[in-house]
Amino acid sequence: AQSVSQHNHHVILSEAASLELGCNYSYGGTVNLFWYVQYPGQHLQLLLKYFSGDPLVKGIKGFEAEFIKSKFSFNLRKPSVQWSDTAEYFCAFHSGGGADGLTFGKGTHLIIQP
Amino acid sequence: GAGVSQTPSNKVTEKGKYVELRCDPISGHTALYWYRQSLGQGPEFLIYFQGTGAADDSGLPNDRFFAVRPEGSVSTLKIQRTERGDSAVYLCASSLGPGAGSQYFGPGTRLLVL
Repeated sequence: AQSVSQHNHHVILSEAASLELGCNYSYGGTVNLFWYVQYPGQHLQLLLKYFSGDPLVKGIKGFEAEFIKSKFSFNLRKPSVQWSDTAEYFCAFHSGGGADGLTFGKGTHLIIQP
Repeated sequence: GAGVSQTPSNKVTEKGKYVELRCDPISGHTALYWYRQSLGQGPEFLIYFQGTGAADDSGLPNDRFFAVRPEGSVSTLKIQRTERGDSAVYLCASSLGPGAGSQYFGPGTRLLVL
């Protein structure tokens, strides 16, 4: 069965710290990968996506993620976090054809302390 | 431009009642998705429409759940004989088409079954 594993459910960092959130997916074929973010009181927003090409993708607000096919991973990174990055982060994928729903991880709740 | 809208934002009902949740996708988006998000979990895929037809309803948990999209735009998720376990946030998303880009999410309907 398709699944996404997000390694940390809760992460607490201080401002200016570096961030890496782990994501591993379980699927044998071609995938499109996504990170979504949900800020407090807001709806899910797309942070970045990987469809093909350069495995290092850059998204909004200084976030980036690297697709490592051999490890079935798509970890999210940011070199220096800000208090405004406090949010819930979800990793997701669908099969390469795209004609199906997304499979999401359980999410990582990130808290940035000022 | 207008994003995905969902109504109502909150719905409280009693066990055994029937409810309808509405989704209005982004104009021009032919693909529409319904997800359910329980507390502490990531969104879980329910059903996907391409145009008026349900292309994939494999995520619907049982036959109490049904969704329609009669004119290829607005969609309604219908839940019969609601149970307490149906309490969750129901999310709608739309995209330009299958494999044609990212899914954009609405704010969700928070359903509480007493």
